[in-house]
Amino acid sequence: AQKVTQAQTEISVVEKEDVTLDCVYETRDTTYYLFWYKQPPSGELVFLIRRNSFDEQNEISGRYSWNFQKSTSSFNFTITASQVVDSAVYFCALSEARGSNYKLTFGKGTLLTVNP
Amino acid sequence: NAGVTQTPKFRILKIGQSMTLQCTQDMNHNYMYWYRQDPGMGLKLIYYSVGAGITDKGEVPNGYNVSRSTTEDFPLRLELAAPSQTSVYFCASSYRGGMASGSISTDTQYFGPGTRLTVL
Repeated sequence: AQKVTQAQTEISVVEKEDVTLDCVYETRDTTYYLFWYKQPPSGELVFLIRRNSFDEQNEISGRYSWNFQKSTSSFNFTITASQVVDSAVYFCALSEARGSNYKLTFGKGTLLTVNP
Repeated sequence: NAGVTQTPKFRILKIGQSMTLQCTQDMNHNYMYWYRQDPGMGLKLIYYSVGAGITDKGEVPNGYNVSRSTTEDFPLRLELAAPSQTSVYFCASSYRGGMASGSISTDTQYFGPGTRLTVL
């Protein structure tokens, strides 16, 4: 069975600090996708990144970076120089990629509060 | 493209009432999904559809029904509303295709803005 664990329920930082959100996953499949979504206070879910299981390269997009390590089944998300607008709930999610399997399994989310 | 749209944004129901949550996507995605999000929890899958005329149950289907008569629309029906169905409901869509289709499967689910439902 698939499982995604986001052990950090809430994180509070001061603006300009760097912050890392942890995500650990479990799956029996060798082919899968990992995702991060952002849910700001307005409530919508915003897609941030998708990574497939064959690509362990770290990715950087502006102040955002992601570290994927299959050896530890982790897909961590770092925000550099955090800003108040980064305040949101962040969800890590996992889906299998083979056949007709649809299932997207979400972690419970990490509430990030960035204080001015 | 409007992406995934949902109506209504908010709704209050009395116990036992029925309603339909509407979901429409204009991205020509074949897969569509309904999730519910309860406070402090991640999303749980209610139903999904892999194409027009095909639907199947997710993790928490009890108390809900769906239909998919067109590629664009995937309504969620609550027949006898119960307080346990108080939640935020999200519709999502994605494209999944194989080599035969000539397209690259993306598998990224894009979400609508959500419907906040309260059952009293």
